Amino acid sequence: DTGVSQDPRHKITKRGQNVTFRCDPISEHNRLYWYRQTLGQGPEFLTYFQNEAQLEKSRLLSDRFSAERPKGSFSTLEIQRTEQGDSAMYLCASRTTGAHSYNEQFFGPGTRLTVL
Amino acid sequence: DQQVKQNSPSLSVQEGRISILNCDYTNSMFDYFLWYKKYPAEGPTFLISISSIKDKNEDGRFTVFLNKSAKHLSLHIVPSQPGDSAVYFCAARTSGTYKYIFGTGTRLKVLA
Repeated sequence: DTGVSQDPRHKITKRGQNVTFRCDPISEHNRLYWYRQTLGQGPEFLTYFQNEAQLEKSRLLSDRFSAERPKGSFSTLEIQRTEQGDSAMYLCASRTTGAHSYNEQFFGPGTRLTVL
Repeated sequence: DQQVKQNSPSLSVQEGRISILNCDYTNSMFDYFLWYKKYPAEGPTFLISISSIKDKNEDGRFTVFLNKSAKHLSLHIVPSQPGDSAVYFCAARTSGTYKYIFGTGTRLKVLA
């Protein structure tokens, strides 16, 4: 297993277009997170899945954002009608169940979105 | 409302010396704290964590200290190495929730 992967790594789109990002977590990880990171800031929580269930969603996530994890494995994050303020790095992380430190989140390399 | 704050955006340290990165939090419900390291073009990597029932956790060159009364934690790296040069984020979580709150990061530069 090579870790958490994200696709694409970079996406440039025009304002108003829809974009979709994919995250493939580490295979045995049942928990999956999406974060957004802008310049000079830390990762900002967007949403959390346990298996296929979306258990928490940030209030910062407008109705234009939707995330799915249909089979409890890979996940997609879609942004509809993109705005320039959506330009950011979108990070995915996964982890297993359990309170031990070795169960902490493993992050993917991120998808950098630029909205023109 | 920034619940986790890293007030030093950058820090430079000589190789072999101690690096001390600081983090303050405002939410007294936080009971689990973590440090992540991030290299350019990579996602953050988990470094070390501490539960609120402890005041110190050590892993090799890395030690995290927690002062609950001051709502402050710090990461000590001894001795610092050039490969430690990265952005360090502290994060916090409350038991029973799934949300991790991250600070804004401190860029550490270890000078050879």
